[in-house]
Amino acid sequence: TQLLEQSPQFLSIQEGENLTVYCNSSSVFSSLQWYRQEPGEGPVLLVTVVTGGEVKKLKRLTFQFGDARKDSSLHITAAQPGDTGLYLCAGASDSGYALNFGKGTSLLVTP
Amino acid sequence: EAGVAQSPRYKIIEKRQSVAFWCNPISGHATLYWYQQILGQGPKLLIQFQNNGVVDDSQLPKDRFSAERLKGVDSTLKIQPAKLEDSAVYLCASSLLGTPYQETQYFGPGTRLLVL
Repeated sequence: TQLLEQSPQFLSIQEGENLTVYCNSSSVFSSLQWYRQEPGEGPVLLVTVVTGGEVKKLKRLTFQFGDARKDSSLHITAAQPGDTGLYLCAGASDSGYALNFGKGTSLLVTP
Repeated sequence: EAGVAQSPRYKIIEKRQSVAFWCNPISGHATLYWYQQILGQGPKLLIQFQNNGVVDDSQLPKDRFSAERLKGVDSTLKIQPAKLEDSAVYLCASSLLGTPYQETQYFGPGTRLLVL
């Protein structure tokens, strides 16, 4: 199993602040996905990054895949209470079918 | 388009009892996944079906867990007998083809199991 380490584990910030969460591994992935999971719901896919060095933007969220395809980051600009949730990264290898999930970063944005 | 449906949403049982969960994937999706998410952790794949065949069940505790997908559509996951450490959220997901590095998995809301 390819392990994914996410940091920080918990993050509590005020509305309007910026933040970055990290997803690191010693393994190389064919792609890496970021999900957001709200309480009582299943994870929802935010983005898939495939190419080393790739940067994708989704409104106020910026995702980056490391050059070596072993790590990724998620940056949120001007966080809003609606951003509250559990952010999960998941890596896929081209030799297997399974997605390996990290433990997640629990984000709380207060007004 | 209807999403992935799961039932029940909540279940409380005593250890050594049996329990079953049901999943109805998005129509037309060939691949169905069952994940276990223990509190404070990310989802862990238990079993993956491609149509009605098993692709990966390497992390399924086969002495107590079983799953089937009849006719390549709905699926059930069973635990018999349950242990305290089985308390978790059981998530069902589906995808069109089954290539994780290329496509989206759509998750259901999950079944929350508490074993007392």
